[in-house]
Amino acid sequence: EIVLTQSPATLSLSPGERATLSCRASQSVSNYLGWYQQKPGQAPRLLIYDVSNRATDIPARFSGSGSGTDFTLTISSLEPEDFAVYYCQQRSAFGGGTKVEIK
Amino acid sequence: QVHLVQSGAEVKKPGASVKVSCKASGYTFTGYYIHWVRQAPGQGLEWMGWFNPNSGGRNYADKFEGRVTMTRDTSISTAYMELSGLRSDDTAVYYCARDNNVGSADYWGQGTLVTVSS
Repeated sequence: EIVLTQSPATLSLSPGERATLSCRASQSVSNYLGWYQQKPGQAPRLLIYDVSNRATDIPARFSGSGSGTDFTLTISSLEPEDFAVYYCQQRSAFGGGTKVEIK
Repeated sequence: QVHLVQSGAEVKKPGASVKVSCKASGYTFTGYYIHWVRQAPGQGLEWMGWFNPNSGGRNYADKFEGRVTMTRDTSISTAYMELSGLRSDDTAVYYCARDNNVGSADYWGQGTLVTVSS
């Protein structure tokens, strides 16, 4: 069973800053790695699939990278609407989430 | 466009069962797997299993094996998730989501709150 560990748990940044979120797998995984954004009271929204492919209508400031056991979601310049919780997922496992909050 | 519409909130007593429905529209229902994911209050996302609406095949998370049943009615493009032996820690929002055929969930239902309380 794969375990996904996200870090940091909380990221405090200002609008316009760059956000770098990490997701580490307990064993090497295939490229079926996705990232989701969730805001309070809403369902998750797919941002990235297959490690680095942006989902439909996702802005270019979101990018994904990585391979093997280490994956990264980067938000190049935070917009006010980007403050939320982010989850990584590989098939049957979700990470614990990273909350991106306003500093 | 693609929509997944779930049934309404439920309140159940410990030991009871709950069945949540997920009606799909805007795409070929049998062409995409359905995931079920839950989220306890203030907690993260927890994967429960996936279901193949075409074949009826399924894969449940070990944690739910023996308590969860995923089914479908292709005539009305609806998937179902039934959870039995409810406990207070099953209180959560339950989501259905469509798999995009490469392991990620690209469309989600609005969620169904299931509250388990005596």
